[in-house]
Amino acid sequence: DAGVTQSPTHLIKTRGQQVTLRCSPISGHKSVSWYQQVLGQGPQFIFQYYEKEERGRGNFPDRFSARQFPNYSSELNVNALLLGDSALYLCASSLRRGGETQYFGPGTRLLVL
Amino acid sequence: QKEVEQNSGPLSVPEGAIASLNCTYSDRGSQSFFWYRQYSGKSPELIMFIYSNGDKEDGRFTAQLNKASQYVSLLIRDSQPSDSATYLCAVGNTNAGKSTFGDGTTLTVKP
Repeated sequence: DAGVTQSPTHLIKTRGQQVTLRCSPISGHKSVSWYQQVLGQGPQFIFQYYEKEERGRGNFPDRFSARQFPNYSSELNVNALLLGDSALYLCASSLRRGGETQYFGPGTRLLVL
Repeated sequence: QKEVEQNSGPLSVPEGAIASLNCTYSDRGSQSFFWYRQYSGKSPELIMFIYSNGDKEDGRFTAQLNKASQYVSLLIRDSQPSDSATYLCAVGNTNAGKSTFGDGTTLTVKP
């Protein structure tokens, strides 16, 4: 079975631009969580979606938004990019709720210039 | 104070030794506890999860949980150079719908 997939793998943007990152969970998993990881730190929780509804939100500005589709895939959108948004963006898949056992995709590495 | 605290390391052990990694957490509502391994430039890989107080063993790995002390640990027996990585402790709260990660401990196993 395929694991969690994310696209693109790498992305370079300039300040002020907008970016959309995509994630497909493990087959049968209905929950997707998004994390931001900057160098030297652990993943920071951004959002959790289950059954197409937002179930959890971390301490990130409104420039960050996400949604989940009927096939349980998800998109993370970041508007008005700042240099500090440069990070590895991770998608994690779990059966139902956030806080359960979750499996990470390979991540999208975003560089903002 | 961070919600999940880990010693940043680096922790260095010789090949074949036992590596001991520790983690404390502040949220008493946490129900699930995880250890992830992350190689440089890669995403985290789940290696252990534990929900109940006590020990859980899986091959060379043993996770220990003490909810009263809000403490989780990971023991790696017969450490191998391939175990060299950053180990992330994560604490899950299903009511809050999220897992919270520590900043990781970097382990180096020297041949």
